[in-house]
Amino acid sequence: GQQVMQIPQYQHVQEGEDFTTYCNSSTTLSNIQWYKQRPGGHPVFLIQLVKSGEVKKQKRLTFQFGEAKKNSSLHITATQTTDVGTYFCAGPGSGAGSYQLTFGKGTKLSVIP
Amino acid sequence: NAGVMQNPRHLVRRRGQEARLRCSPMKGHSHVYWYRQLPEEGLKFMVYLQKENIIDESGMPKERFSAEFPKEGPSILRIQQVVRGDSAAYFCASSPGTGTYNEQFFGPGTRLTVL
Repeated sequence: GQQVMQIPQYQHVQEGEDFTTYCNSSTTLSNIQWYKQRPGGHPVFLIQLVKSGEVKKQKRLTFQFGEAKKNSSLHITATQTTDVGTYFCAGPGSGAGSYQLTFGKGTKLSVIP
Repeated sequence: NAGVMQNPRHLVRRRGQEARLRCSPMKGHSHVYWYRQLPEEGLKFMVYLQKENIIDESGMPKERFSAEFPKEGPSILRIQQVVRGDSAAYFCASSPGTGTYNEQFFGPGTRLTVL
């Protein structure tokens, strides 16, 4: 079945440093979604990328979808303590299972003030 | 506009008891999904329901687990005869439709602890 892998699993950065998490799917995706989960919280939708090679920005966050639509990345510039949490990518299944999101294991970001 | 609601937020059960988790989707959403999250893991799809119909339960264990989404009232995830391995966070999500471009909105989750 479809697998979604994320690296790294953990990342500790000094406040102000940049952070990047990478996501790879075993299958081509129609779209990829990114979620953020704060400690003890629930996943909150950040963004969806649909087009091959698409790049979207949200303030200090830059999301990229690979040309082959099998990989994606999230880059945070000049991290702040409010960025702490686990970042998940998720891809829908194909065909009849397209509603089913397959999540990566997430990258847990710690920001040292 | 209330988001997805889940209750209880925390549930403690002893081995062998039953756990009932409730989820009320966002207003206007008729599609409900249940996910399970083990510590330090991503979310694993369990079941997808529409009103009065289970569309896909391929991610749900065959035994002890069941789900429903009645015409009236919340969606229920039921776990019978709980075991320690059932301890996890259970998240419900809803969407207004299906297809590949519908964002799923997650509830706050129910943290189940089995003693």
